[in-house]
Amino acid sequence: GAVVSQHPSRVICKSGTSVKIECRSLDFQATTMFWYRQFPKKSLMLMATSNEGSKATYEQGVEKDKFLINHASLTLSTLTVTSAHPEDSSFYICSARDPGGSYNEQFFGPGTRLTVL
Amino acid sequence: SQQGEEDPQALSIQEGENATMNCSYKTSINNLQWYRQNSGRGLVHLILIRSNEREKHSGRLRVTLDTSKKSSSLLITASRAADTASYFCATDPYSGGSNYKLTFGKGTLLTVNP
Repeated sequence: GAVVSQHPSRVICKSGTSVKIECRSLDFQATTMFWYRQFPKKSLMLMATSNEGSKATYEQGVEKDKFLINHASLTLSTLTVTSAHPEDSSFYICSARDPGGSYNEQFFGPGTRLTVL
Repeated sequence: SQQGEEDPQALSIQEGENATMNCSYKTSINNLQWYRQNSGRGLVHLILIRSNEREKHSGRLRVTLDTSKKSSSLLITASRAADTASYFCATDPYSGGSNYKLTFGKGTLLTVNP
């Protein structure tokens, strides 16, 4: 299957700093990527849909100024957690949709564990 | 409530036994997908079943779909310790345009004891 990478896999930062997480599709061009947040032993919560060349679409309750998304190329989307606080600590996962696929199968990155001190 | 509700929430079995997980959903779907997640890792796509399919097999996996009951089941036969993971169903709602959002259930934590 297609491969999606995320970087970094783990990050620890101080409260008030900003953190950037990258999501890359390695062997296909992804016009649409998704950012999820997952709390321990919980399901994935969709935060936003990242569309190449246009603004991201945020889910209700997700602050777009807090979680900045940039999808500057067909293989890269970035999520920046601005002015991070301890409550932003979570597991962030991206996925990418292969437009060449027959169905809406999404390929997931390995996730980024964010810890805000 | 959330589309895609799995049950049981947790399942513990012995190696070699079969594991069955169920998923219920509320709205119309285009297809339903099952994913697996090892602890602290990303999700791995297991199998996709289209709304006009009733059963699908992939290796030791068997998925059924009953659109009249809005439910699906995932059966893992002859389980192995390495199957220990969380399993999620995800529904792809029927809609036109460019809505590709999947909705994930809460997941079933499967533990296979050696």
